[in-house]
Amino acid sequence: NAGVMQNPRHLVRRRGQEARLRCSPMKGHSHVYWYRQLPEEGLKFMVYLQKENIIDESGMPKERFSAEFPKEGPSILRIQQVVRGDSAAYFCASSPGPLGDEQYFGPGTRLTVT
Amino acid sequence: DQQVKQNSPSLSVQEGRISILNCDYTNSMFDYFLWYKKYPAEGPTFLISISSIKDKNEDGRFTVFLNKSAKHLSLHIVPSQPGDSAVYFCAARGGGSQGNLIFGKGTKLSVKP
Repeated sequence: NAGVMQNPRHLVRRRGQEARLRCSPMKGHSHVYWYRQLPEEGLKFMVYLQKENIIDESGMPKERFSAEFPKEGPSILRIQQVVRGDSAAYFCASSPGPLGDEQYFGPGTRLTVT
Repeated sequence: DQQVKQNSPSLSVQEGRISILNCDYTNSMFDYFLWYKKYPAEGPTFLISISSIKDKNEDGRFTVFLNKSAKHLSLHIVPSQPGDSAVYFCAARGGGSQGNLIFGKGTKLSVKP
């Protein structure tokens, strides 16, 4: 029973490039959450998705960031025209039902923007 | 504006003793609280949770206490073991959110042999 999978684990991008982060939830989970952790900070919520729907994107920056969770395939967090301030660890979590009970986290993707 | 606060960035405890990690919150609408443990370069691992209708939940060496009137919760680990050394995050759900968790900044626990 595989846990939440994220890839890549490490991603290096130059300023202005695009970053795509992937998340496959646990088997049977249809609710996905993305969080970002800056150095010395806690995790900050970005977006909550169900299959083909964005439920809550109140934590997403207004520009350059987008997320999707298609009917087939992993959830994708996309960052266009990356800047140095986007360097962080991005964690995906999944839960079996709504309301976020006991979210299970993936290992994270560490994005470095040079 | 931090809704969940962990005021101690670090805590050092001797093996076999009790570790007490504290967490304060400001939003009285939070209805569910969780503790996660995180090792470097790994994702957070769920430890234990408590609903706002309870004041205590116990699971093995881990006990979480909730004081709603003080908007305070704590995680007790007894006896502490060196393998417990990690960063511990307190998280809360509710208060108008649709399932996303609000995290504190974490407390780094070091358990010395």
